[in-house]
Amino acid sequence: DTAVSQTPKYLVTQMGNDKSIKCEQNLGHDTMYWYKQDSKKFLKIMFSYNNKELIINETVPNRFSPKSPDKAHLNLHINSLELGDSAVYFCASSSGVGYGYTFGSGTRLTVV
Amino acid sequence: EDKVVQSPLSLVVHEGDTVTLNCSYEVTNFRSLLWYKQEKKAPTFLFMLTSSGIEKKSGRLSSILDKKELFSILNITATQTGDSAIYLCAAGYGGSQGNLIFGKGTKLSVKP
Repeated sequence: DTAVSQTPKYLVTQMGNDKSIKCEQNLGHDTMYWYKQDSKKFLKIMFSYNNKELIINETVPNRFSPKSPDKAHLNLHINSLELGDSAVYFCASSSGVGYGYTFGSGTRLTVV
Repeated sequence: EDKVVQSPLSLVVHEGDTVTLNCSYEVTNFRSLLWYKQEKKAPTFLFMLTSSGIEKKSGRLSSILDKKELFSILNITATQTGDSAIYLCAAGYGGSQGNLIFGKGTKLSVKP
């Protein structure tokens, strides 16, 4: 059983399009996250939700909007995609902010 | 520049051996040190350390953090072939919970 699953694994799209990445966890964790992996392999947090409520919202463009329909799901919607949005995006979950994270396998987004 | 350095980069041992993996870090606003085991897919969480000198154990694995010398070690006793994986160290940092810097990993191969 996959603990944290993201879909799709690969996403190639044109500039200006709107796309979504889905994330689901079956661990019963209360907290879910979205990370963006930069060129140096650092994982920078974008958003964190705890029981469907937004608790961390780092400085990301308004074009990025997370949506959490329930505590097992945290989807990432991106409007008006730009070339600079190309990256690997990781979803993760934990039993609380600051606790160990369980990661999804990542979504490689390529904007052309 | 913030960084996490792991050593050795690769290690080959025989079943039953004990191994020690090293992780040193230099990060601004350090919060925590995390260890992960990565096989084929996403890293799986092993330990999170926030206090110096307190050993965390899980079966044959144990880890400890030294915040004065800025390093952590991961010990694996009585290694088994199933321990073969890449072991990743990550430092949590920054004003927000959740930012992570990963090291490049130590590839451990356990021979029968």
